[in-house]
This record gives sequence, C-alpha cells and structure tokens, in this order.
Amino acid sequence: EDQVTQSPEALRLQEGESSSLNCSYTVSGLRGLFWYRQDPGKGPEFLFTLYSAGEEKEKERLKATLTKKESFLHITAPKPEDSATYLCAVQANAGGTSYGKLTFGQGTILTVHP
Amino acid sequence: DTAVSQTPKYLVTQMGNDKSIKCEQNLGHDTMYWYKQDSKKFLKIMFSYNNKELIINETVPNRFSPKSPDKAHLNLHINSLELGDSAVYFCASSQRGGEETQYFGPGTRLLVL
Repeated sequence: EDQVTQSPEALRLQEGESSSLNCSYTVSGLRGLFWYRQDPGKGPEFLFTLYSAGEEKEKERLKATLTKKESFLHITAPKPEDSATYLCAVQANAGGTSYGKLTFGQGTILTVHP
Repeated sequence: DTAVSQTPKYLVTQMGNDKSIKCEQNLGHDTMYWYKQDSKKFLKIMFSYNNKELIINETVPNRFSPKSPDKAHLNLHINSLELGDSAVYFCASSQRGGEETQYFGPGTRLLVL
C-alpha cells in the first residue's frame, strides 16, 4: 500500500528564516508527487508536480525537489503569508480502480512569525 | 469564476438523517473525485468518476453513494448519517485520471450531532 509521511508535523519560523519540509514516500511505481498548500477553512491549492528523481521546480520562495524516496519543499526567506498547511501526495503507476488516486501525507503546519 | 464549487459550505444535521453535497466544475475536466478530510487533517480519497463512470470506489460504507449526472457534476449522497461521518468533504477534478493535477473545491464541513 502507498504511504506518505511528512515531517515535521509543525514548524515555526521567523520571517526570513529559511527551512525545509520533508515528504517520505513508498509507492509501487511513482507516477507523480504533488505538493499542495491548504489555508484554514479552504481547499488544497496546487503548488507543484514532480515526476522523476532529480527533478526540481520553483515558485517564488518555494522550491520542490525529488529523490527516489523523498521530496523536500524548501522555503527561502519566508513571509507571514506563507503560513499554511503544506500537503504532499503521491500518485502510483497503478491502473484500473486506482487510476488517478492521490495518497496524501498528514501535512506540515507552517507558521511564519513577523 | 469558481473552478470547482461545492454546496453547501456548512452542513449541521442529526444522526440518522440523509443529506446530499453537490459539486460542480467549470474547467471542462473529465474526472471528478470525492475526498474526506478527518479531524487530523488527513485527506483520503473516497470515489472518482471519469466521464460519468465510477472508477475508484475505496472502502467506504454503502451509506455513501456518489452520482454523476454529467461530467461537470458529481454529487455525494449520505444515508443514515453517523457521528463518525463528521468531517470536511472535498470535491476535486482533473483533466483525466492520469498524472494531471487535481483541483480542489472549497470543502463542505459536515457536523453530525
């Protein structure tokens, strides 16, 4: 069964203090790894998709990287508006009744203090 | 211009009642999903439909029945509501069911008393 574990569960940073969130996964053939941001009371908002080990993607202060066992979401010089829950999910190469299924981690709650 | 919308946003009801949640997407996507987010914020897939055809049906009680009248709509009907059904239910859609990005709705917060 596909599994996703995110760490830490919660992270408090000062504004400008860079850090990384971790997403470890086990999957029977990775089709894609997804990062989402979720604000309180809202639905997950798509950030990145990574498909193969060594791939990197950037968006503003965020950079996602992927290895064969884990993904990191690096946050450079964060601002208070980056505070949110960051969710990682994997999609396996399975077809049939698992086609399109995302398996999520429990999320990392990021708080950035001014 | 809401891409994926859900109604209602909040739903408070008594145990034993039957309720429905509606979802609509205006993205022209072929595949739609229902996810459940529990109190620990774990998002877990329940169902997916591709062009009105049921594709994913996870281990969900028979009291939950999805219905897709057309590929832009996916509704969730819940019979005989139980306390444990209290959660946030999210609808999502993607172009197809492959590695395409899934876009989520705002969620429906269900509280069963």
